[in-house]
Amino acid sequence: EAQVTQNPRYLITVTGKKLTVTCSQNMNHEYMSWYRQDPGLGLRQIYYSMNVEVTDKGDVPEGYKVSRKEKRNFPLILESPSPNQTSLYFCASSLSVYRGRETQYFGPGTRLLVL
Amino acid sequence: DAKTTQPPSMDCAEGRAANLPCNHSTISGNEYVYWYRQIHSQGPQYIIHGLKNNETNEMASLIITEDRKSSTLILPHATLRDTAVYYCIVRPAGGTSYGKLTFGQGTILTVHP
Repeated sequence: EAQVTQNPRYLITVTGKKLTVTCSQNMNHEYMSWYRQDPGLGLRQIYYSMNVEVTDKGDVPEGYKVSRKEKRNFPLILESPSPNQTSLYFCASSLSVYRGRETQYFGPGTRLLVL
Repeated sequence: DAKTTQPPSMDCAEGRAANLPCNHSTISGNEYVYWYRQIHSQGPQYIIHGLKNNETNEMASLIITEDRKSSTLILPHATLRDTAVYYCIVRPAGGTSYGKLTFGQGTILTVHP
């Protein structure tokens, strides 16, 4: 089944303890992206990647890192999590960003609580 | 980036058509209009997109005005499972900003029995 998977789905951690949220897609998509969702703020893009080894900042990149060493995986890294990073996180992917292939498919979400 | 404006909430009776408006008066000529929806904290789901012509698929229809400053998403026969937040998004044009999608507040559609 074509899908975007995220792990873990739920995570409780403490301030400063490095964590990684994994994202994987099995659709051979070039484009991948991370969003966070907070009440009253809608979805905001954190980082995106046009292809392997090509990443760029979204609207709210502070406090996050990403890497794209292979096409299928796009992990989100929080080097030193803080309580303001408590949020619902979504990974998304699309075949590309060019006409006709730009529809983004979203993962199920990762709910993170930083104490 | 072109901004979008949507009503915060709408109601619809089950079986009737739901018409969700979106204003995007600053849209550029090569920017697409996308619609997604999100059901109760699940991942957003793609619905439909268009450039300037009206579009229809198995889920919905998209009507874009001739001046492209506004659009309407139509769910022809709304069901209770269509209750969700609906997002209208304008996809930026050109270069590396192609990847950036900005979600607004969306419209909460509630379908009543």
